[in-house]
Amino acid sequence: GNSVTQMEGPVTLSEEAFLTINCTYTATGYPSLFWYVQYPGEGLQLLLKATKADDKGSNKGFEATYRKETTSFHLEKGSVQVSDSAVYFCAPYRDNYGQNFVFGPGTRLSVLP
Amino acid sequence: NAGVTQTPKFQVLKTGQSMTLQCAQDMNHNSMYWYRQDPGMGLRLIYYSASEGTTDKGEVPNGYNVSRLNKREFSLRLESAAPSQTSVYFCASRDFNEQYFGPGTRLTVT
Repeated sequence: GNSVTQMEGPVTLSEEAFLTINCTYTATGYPSLFWYVQYPGEGLQLLLKATKADDKGSNKGFEATYRKETTSFHLEKGSVQVSDSAVYFCAPYRDNYGQNFVFGPGTRLSVLP
Repeated sequence: NAGVTQTPKFQVLKTGQSMTLQCAQDMNHNSMYWYRQDPGMGLRLIYYSASEGTTDKGEVPNGYNVSRLNKREFSLRLESAAPSQTSVYFCASRDFNEQYFGPGTRLTVT
């Protein structure tokens, strides 16, 4: 089955700092890759995704590139804001192969003004 | 279009009490899911329903039952609550390869 390893948090950064959250995965075949974000007191919501090797997903200034050779999907943002404080989850998923989303423990990000 | 809704938002139970968590989606999705979220554990799948009329166990089904009442609704029942079931519960539905989550139910069992 699928599994994911994310860098442990919490990650604390100052506003405008550069962010990287590492994610590596194991999966059957070639899954699509997702980053979900959970803001305080809310459910998870899709941040970005990439469906095949070398694709780059991007949204709200965040980016992640599907690296098949290293089975990685690291999340980056050039300049974080206080409003980016949240928990970030990486998840591989392959539709129609009897699989379910597998979420790791998440990485908590705190951005200080 | 409300997306995925859950009730209640908060609940406190005594050990041994029963309750049902309600979930509904208005996006006409076939697949629905129940997760629990505990500190440091991420999301763990309790049960899922690939389509109306079918349900399957996930990673942590013990102590729970589910009902897929119709395409819209997927409920989670705790027959005899235990303190180990204190958690935040999320319902989700899936369209192709994206999941949509409800706002969660925070359950405390004393």
